[in-house]
This record gives sequence, C-alpha cells and structure tokens, in this order.
Amino acid sequence: DFVMTQSPLSLPVTPGEPASISCRSSQSLLHSDGYNYLDWYLQKPGQSPQLLISLGSNRASGVPDRFSGSGSGTDFTLKISRVEAEDVGIYYCMQALQSPRLTFGPGTKVGIK
Amino acid sequence: QVQLRQSGPGLVKPSQTLSLTCVITGDSVSYNNAAWNWIRQSPSGGLEWLGRANYRSKWYFDYAVSVKSRITIDVDTSKNHVSLKLNSVTPEDTAVYYCARVRADAYYKGMDVWGQGTTVTVSS
Repeated sequence: DFVMTQSPLSLPVTPGEPASISCRSSQSLLHSDGYNYLDWYLQKPGQSPQLLISLGSNRASGVPDRFSGSGSGTDFTLKISRVEAEDVGIYYCMQALQSPRLTFGPGTKVGIK
Repeated sequence: QVQLRQSGPGLVKPSQTLSLTCVITGDSVSYNNAAWNWIRQSPSGGLEWLGRANYRSKWYFDYAVSVKSRITIDVDTSKNHVSLKLNSVTPEDTAVYYCARVRADAYYKGMDVWGQGTTVTVSS
C-alpha cells in the first residue's frame, strides 16, 4: 500500500510571499505512460476539498497560475508564488497510481501569520 | 456545470446502516469517462477513500479493504444518482462523507467535482 507524507504539517505564511509544501510517497507514482499520478487538493475552511493540480503539474480549470506543482517518482512539491489571503486552508496530496484505491496525505494547514 | 448533491441522515445508531445518496446534475452517472467515488473525512481531518462506481460498458464497483465487508455502492441510472450503504456502523464511522467525480477523458484529470459533504454521527 502507498503511504503519503507531507511537510510541514503547519505553515504560517505572509501574504505576497511564496510558500512551498512537500509531499512524499512510499512508492514511485510514475506510471509507464510517463505521468506521475499525484494530485493536490485544497480544502478551504468550511468547504469540500477542491482540485488544484493533477498528474503532478497540471493545473485544474480555474486555478490561478500562482499555484504550481512539480516533482517525479516519490517527491513532489506544491508552490504558491505569492500567497493571497484566500489561499488559507488545508492542502492535501493524493496518489492515484493505485487507482481505484486512492490515498491521501495527512494535510498541511496553511494560515496567515 | 456538474454538481453533486448529497442527502441522508446525519445521525445513525451503532450497529445500524448508514445510507447516503449523491444526485448528479450536469453529467450522466453512466458516462464512460467518469468514476463516482465516496470519501470520508474523520473528525481529525484525515481523508479516506471508501469506494467507487465505474461504468465501462458494464458497472464495476471497487471498495477499500478497510470497509469491504460492510460497504455497498449502488447506482440508479433512472435517477442519475449513486448511493452508499455502510452497515454495522460504530462510532469510528463518524465522519463527513463526500461523493466525488474522478474524470479521465483522454487522460486522468483528478477528482474535479465534489459534493457538499454530509456530516454523519454514529451515536445512540
């Protein structure tokens, strides 16, 4: 089974500054088709999770370009180039290589300093 | 615009069956390039995939090992909805339950639509 870890688990940020979250998988998420099956989701306070990034680096429709995903194999990073107040919430990574059995990371809580 | 609207009781007694429904608008439950998933979020915040319904010329149902003996996911194509039943519940099943669509047209596109969530408490 896949185990997903994230760091940090809590991240105070300053609006206008960059931020970065790391996600690590216990096994490679690189499929034979060349894609990494790693998603990023943001759960804003009081809301359902929403898709930010799929396949490691593909921004979902409507997601601002200040969000970017990178990485391959077992190590991935979500970067926010300039944090805005509306970006607060919990960020989860999720592996989809073992689909249909999906596994989420523990989440990183992002809040304003 | 695709929307998932969940319904079901918020309180279930221990040993009874949790039943939730997810009505799909703006898409078809039988769409070949989508899978309809149930996920829950524990009070501590962790997200757990429970199972899915998937149509590829016929229906396929997949379940998490942790709940496989207790879970049933079903589809009603006439009502365009997917349902979740979890029997023999205990307080450990207390969680927010979500339905969500995974889309994979030409390629995998992630879990792009989520229901609003249903808070279910298991208590006598």
